[in-house]
Amino acid sequence: ETGVTQTPRHLVMGMTNKKSLKCEQHLGHNAMYWYKQSAKKPLELMFVYSLEERVENNSVPSRFSPECPNSSHLFLHLHTLQPEDSALYLCASSQSGTDMNTEAFFGQGTRLTVV
Amino acid sequence: LAKTTQPISMDSYEGQEVNITCSHNNIATNDYITWYQQFPSQGPRFIIQGYKTKVTNEVASLFIPADRKSSTLSLPRVSLSDTAVYYCLVVVDSNYQLIWGAGTKLIIKP
Repeated sequence: ETGVTQTPRHLVMGMTNKKSLKCEQHLGHNAMYWYKQSAKKPLELMFVYSLEERVENNSVPSRFSPECPNSSHLFLHLHTLQPEDSALYLCASSQSGTDMNTEAFFGQGTRLTVV
Repeated sequence: LAKTTQPISMDSYEGQEVNITCSHNNIATNDYITWYQQFPSQGPRFIIQGYKTKVTNEVASLFIPADRKSSTLSLPRVSLSDTAVYYCLVVVDSNYQLIWGAGTKLIIKP
């Protein structure tokens, strides 16, 4: 148990569906992240939020829309996804959003399958 | 940006010392090197971080030569539970750039 909880753990959705991934951290951290992990590829940082403000968007397609309503919660809204978006989506948090050297704590991920 | 390269897989046996090397040829002056461990169906977990020379904690050591173009994660006396994927990560000390390696799958045999 890392203190970062993601729901759901598994999600199957059609290309026309709209769904959301949820992440919650109870560590009092100021920064939260969304990562995409595809088979045999390095982790890809998608979004970074520091103190609830988005500070990084690594050219992620607009069909992925993040939301950070407060420092403890992070959402990833999904719509009109493609089969190649199937992957493990990981949420992480860290104490500082301005010092990227700080240790990140990861959730267990949501295994997303787009059919 | 620094790019990291590490072996795809490694095998070892219980009780042995395992060394996993990551190359980061164009690492910048202010970049740190971090290693994470990931078990199946879990997110990565922080192991160790360093900038230069040697860093040691309760689970591993990290060796970084003077030119900092590579780093070696050393796991002393591994057990079956150390079977996992190990990621080398270069943290660019600016602009939120995190460069993850593709991971080394370590299999420990009895």
